[in-house]
Amino acid sequence: GEDVEQSLFLSVREGDSSVINCTYTDSSSTYLYWYKQEPGAGLQLLTYIFSNMDMKQDQRLTVLLNKKDKHLSLRIADTQTGDSAIYFCAEMGTGNQFYFGTGTSLTVIP
Amino acid sequence: SQTIHQWPATLVQPVGSPLSLECTVEGTSNPNLYWYRQAAGRGLQLLFYSVGIGQISSEVPQNLSASRPQDRQFILSSKKLLLSDSGFYLCAWSYGTYEQYFGPGTRLTVT
Repeated sequence: GEDVEQSLFLSVREGDSSVINCTYTDSSSTYLYWYKQEPGAGLQLLTYIFSNMDMKQDQRLTVLLNKKDKHLSLRIADTQTGDSAIYFCAEMGTGNQFYFGTGTSLTVIP
Repeated sequence: SQTIHQWPATLVQPVGSPLSLECTVEGTSNPNLYWYRQAAGRGLQLLFYSVGIGQISSEVPQNLSASRPQDRQFILSSKKLLLSDSGFYLCAWSYGTYEQYFGPGTRLTVT
């Protein structure tokens, strides 16, 4: 499968911005995704970006895509304690397969 | 609207016992279906995916198998569980919009 890499941990103070980074290997990926997983639960799709876009904003979430460097980031503005979770980056490869990163565990400190 | 169900929610099984996890999707037809395993609450590993009834692709060699007896039913099985099969198993579906939606997961503990 494809390699999708993320840093494992991130801690931020409540009210600050969080930036979660991801690198991927498949340059032909059409869509790239961010998912959120709360403890003991399934994954919730937060947002996705089409590969011909550089940026997508959705309320407190901003996704940046650098296709040349194969780098994807998720910025969460005004981070709240409810944002504490594991965040997964994913890409859609060929044949309708999805490849996920290892997840970044975000801890928001009150 | 579409919904995805998985059961059981939790399962404790002894080593060497069989396994059957079920996933069903409602509200859509001919979805792509996926089984993932998440070990120790971390990264997702794609185990199987299916683009239609009876069509199963396996990503990694393992002790598990999958079947799709009906359009919206996906089953994960094992004849003899190993300790290393413990983990959180997630079923997911996708169709058309390329978004993938996940079920609530099954926590499997092999003792």
